[in-house]
Amino acid sequence: HVQLQESGPRLVKPSGTLSLTCVVSDDSITSNNWWTWVRQPPGKGLEWIGEIFHSGVTTYNPSLKSRITISVDKARNQFSLKVNSVTAADTALYYCARSYMILGGALDIWGQGTLVSVSS
Amino acid sequence: EILMTQSPGTLSVSPGERATLSCRASQSVSGNLAWYQQKPGQAPRLVIYGASTRATGFPARFSGSGSGTEFTLTISSLQSEDFAVYYCQQYSNWPRTFGQGTKVEIK
Repeated sequence: HVQLQESGPRLVKPSGTLSLTCVVSDDSITSNNWWTWVRQPPGKGLEWIGEIFHSGVTTYNPSLKSRITISVDKARNQFSLKVNSVTAADTALYYCARSYMILGGALDIWGQGTLVSVSS
Repeated sequence: EILMTQSPGTLSVSPGERATLSCRASQSVSGNLAWYQQKPGQAPRLVIYGASTRATGFPARFSGSGSGTEFTLTISSLQSEDFAVYYCQQYSNWPRTFGQGTKVEIK
């Protein structure tokens, strides 16, 4: 069955760059789906960050657009997130997910999430 | 950006009772609406997509309805495993947006 697994540093210094990778298992990153990042600050709700198609086309949350980059690595069947100039407000659980086009784009598979803290 | 508003923020329900959760979109999303369930310490799980189609693994007591701007998730007879936070999300337009969540708690 399809699985997603996030990885990356759990602690980032203020003004630094947050970098996460999501490895996709049992599905091809080149399938007709979008690959999505969502985050959740501690005790709060879900925030859609952005998503990417295997061609490299991306779409971002306007509130984060100036600071984020999502990329895809087809050879490694994974996609990545970078957030620049982080502050404490970027402390959150970061999830990767599959936006499954057979379901119209609903997020049917989620990674377990990784907590990233921004602190000096 | 489409604003998604869920109500109520918290719903206190006794086991076996019905729970009705609402989600309103600031503009029409047609039927491109999903509901997710999130339990403490877990990732969200897709419950309903296309406003009314149950996702794999969810029993018939979960049902979704609505189209356009008004949507409802109904859990007909709450079981202990259903107590969780539920989020709606529109995937009609970019950026995708979530509601703020409804917590279903034991009364």
